[in-house]
Amino acid sequence: LAKTTQPISMDSYEGQEVNITCSHNNIATNDYITWYQQFPSQGPRFIIQGYKTKVTNEVASLFIPADRKSSTLSLPRVSLSDTAVYYCLVSGGGADGLTFGKGTHLIIQP
Amino acid sequence: KAGVTQTPRYLIKTRGQQVTLSCSPISGHRSVSWYQQTPGQGLQFLFEYFSETQRNKGNFPGRFSGRQFSNSRSEMNVSTLELGDSALYLCASSLEASGGYNEQFFGPGTRLTVL
Repeated sequence: LAKTTQPISMDSYEGQEVNITCSHNNIATNDYITWYQQFPSQGPRFIIQGYKTKVTNEVASLFIPADRKSSTLSLPRVSLSDTAVYYCLVSGGGADGLTFGKGTHLIIQP
Repeated sequence: KAGVTQTPRYLIKTRGQQVTLSCSPISGHRSVSWYQQTPGQGLQFLFEYFSETQRNKGNFPGRFSGRQFSNSRSEMNVSTLELGDSALYLCASSLEASGGYNEQFFGPGTRLTVL
């Protein structure tokens, strides 16, 4: 059972880089790490997924160290519209991979 | 390509009643998952269906049930409604049954209020 732990909330300012770290000490060999973003009254939206090292797309980067016991979602130059809840999931094919938890509430200030 | 649709968008019921919510996945997607979201408990996984079979199940009582049809559309049913069932119910679809491996696309949700 690969449970995840993330900070409940974080604050930052427009234009800054924001890093949200997720711990998953019991991650299994075939597990992937997936991040979602959710705005109020909307369903979550997929951001990025990775297995090891670094993954980058047009909105974020995901850093995964060699032991894979944690991962860091990096949002470059955030804006007010990045204020949302961010969820880290460890996806291994079972119900665990569909368990969102409480997420991290990121608040971006002007 | 149309997104995930859920009906109805809003629903008001009284305790003891039952309710059925509907979800139509993105065309071509064969997996549908259901979630309950409340301010106190966050986003909780209910169940995942693929090819009309339940593949994964969360930790909810038997009052919560679901099914999937041959066209991949899904319904979830809650019987004997309790006040605590008031929540936003979200449906998500993905190409295959994945337990999270594949990207999930979420619908707008059904807001259920139990009085």
